Amino acid sequence: DTGVSQDPRHKITKRGQNVTFRCDPISEHNRLYWYRQTLGQGPEFLTYFQNEAQLEKSRLLSDRFSAERPKGSFSTLEIQRTEQGDSAMYLCASSRDDQPQHFGDGTRLSIL
Amino acid sequence: AQSVTQLGSHVSVSEGALVLLRCNYSSSVPPYLFWYVQYPNQGLQLLLKYTSAATLVKGINGFEAEFKKSETSFHLTKPSAHMSDAAEYFCAVTGGTGAGSYQLTFGKGTKLSVIP
Repeated sequence: DTGVSQDPRHKITKRGQNVTFRCDPISEHNRLYWYRQTLGQGPEFLTYFQNEAQLEKSRLLSDRFSAERPKGSFSTLEIQRTEQGDSAMYLCASSRDDQPQHFGDGTRLSIL
Repeated sequence: AQSVTQLGSHVSVSEGALVLLRCNYSSSVPPYLFWYVQYPNQGLQLLLKYTSAATLVKGINGFEAEFKKSETSFHLTKPSAHMSDAAEYFCAVTGGTGAGSYQLTFGKGTKLSVIP
């Protein structure tokens, strides 16, 4: 169990640029989740994959956001045309079916 | 739909004193409840979980929580605080199994400070 890995840990970009984050889940975990955490708040659910299928997307996930998990292993989260309000910690978690979710250390996004 | 309310955004205790962090939940289905801890610039680590078995749940690092359906509460306690317990604590709920079981709904968190 090597844990959930996220890359990069920090990303600073200018408003309007596109950014992409990667998440590598625990190897035997079939479920993968993305959450967003803003300062002083708890994480908020963004989207969920069962293997390679994206089964749920929160209304928080605007059209500028897209997530993929092409082979049911790692996942990417892309934000297009970033805005100031996108500044947050983006957390990835994985689980085996309904077992508790294990979280990565997150990617902190700062928009200049 | 589920929701979580954590009472007290910041709690301070002396080293060796009792830790009590409060969590109340709302759920339309039998809930699964969790406590997670987050250290600065890190992800969330699972402390303990309630999944409809024993109502008193023991977790890591000496923490425990009691599920009280009548009070819709799942408060976190530790008999004696240690300096290393200083962190932010999040209570979370899912809809148990089946629909909604994948999505954790978190409270806003309680930051615990431990005074030497």
